[in-house]
Amino acid sequence: DTAVSQTPKYLVTQMGNDKSIKCEQNLGHDTMYWYKQDSKKFLKIMFSYNNKELIINETVPNRFSPKSPDKAHLNLHINSLELGDSAVYFCASSPPGDVDEQFFGPGTRLTVL
Amino acid sequence: GQNIDQPTEMTATEGAIVQINCTYQTSGFNGLFWYQQHAGEAPTFLSYNVLDGLEEKGRFSSFLSRSKGYSYLLLKELQMKDSASYLCAPMDSNYQLIWGAGTKLIIKP
Repeated sequence: DTAVSQTPKYLVTQMGNDKSIKCEQNLGHDTMYWYKQDSKKFLKIMFSYNNKELIINETVPNRFSPKSPDKAHLNLHINSLELGDSAVYFCASSPPGDVDEQFFGPGTRLTVL
Repeated sequence: GQNIDQPTEMTATEGAIVQINCTYQTSGFNGLFWYQQHAGEAPTFLSYNVLDGLEEKGRFSSFLSRSKGYSYLLLKELQMKDSASYLCAPMDSNYQLIWGAGTKLIIKP
């Protein structure tokens, strides 16, 4: 199926651990994003990559590091997890061009205990 | 600063019409998106407006007034499956989407 996919869907871990979330899109899009949606449901952009190049890096702790091995993948690695990192993380992609809809992955619900 | 204002929650009856309002302030403007998000799921695209006026797409219509910094989403012939959150997201001068917290719409039989 053509889509944006993320793994894992659920992630439960202890404070201080390091974890990764993977994202892949087979839509041929050039731009990929990571969003964090907290308990208040605000979607906050974290990172945006265009053709493997970082173009948006919002005020995010440097414990969060995105990695884009190719334009179809944008993985998110988180070091030293904290309680406040608990949220749903969405990956998204959009076609070339400045104004286009974004296609979202199913989300990864991260719970830090 | 950049700001989005939408009602937190609305309730409507199956078969009725509901209008979800959104006011926004952004640094520059490159159009406004509406997304639907069912509980526990990803947001999905509904509409995009960049010119003033009404865009109709089936049961859903979206309106924009750039001078007023105002948009609304109009849902007609409401169905139970329309129960979801509706996110207003204007795009700023850097082509970055600015997301509101969304309006949770509850449909009652």
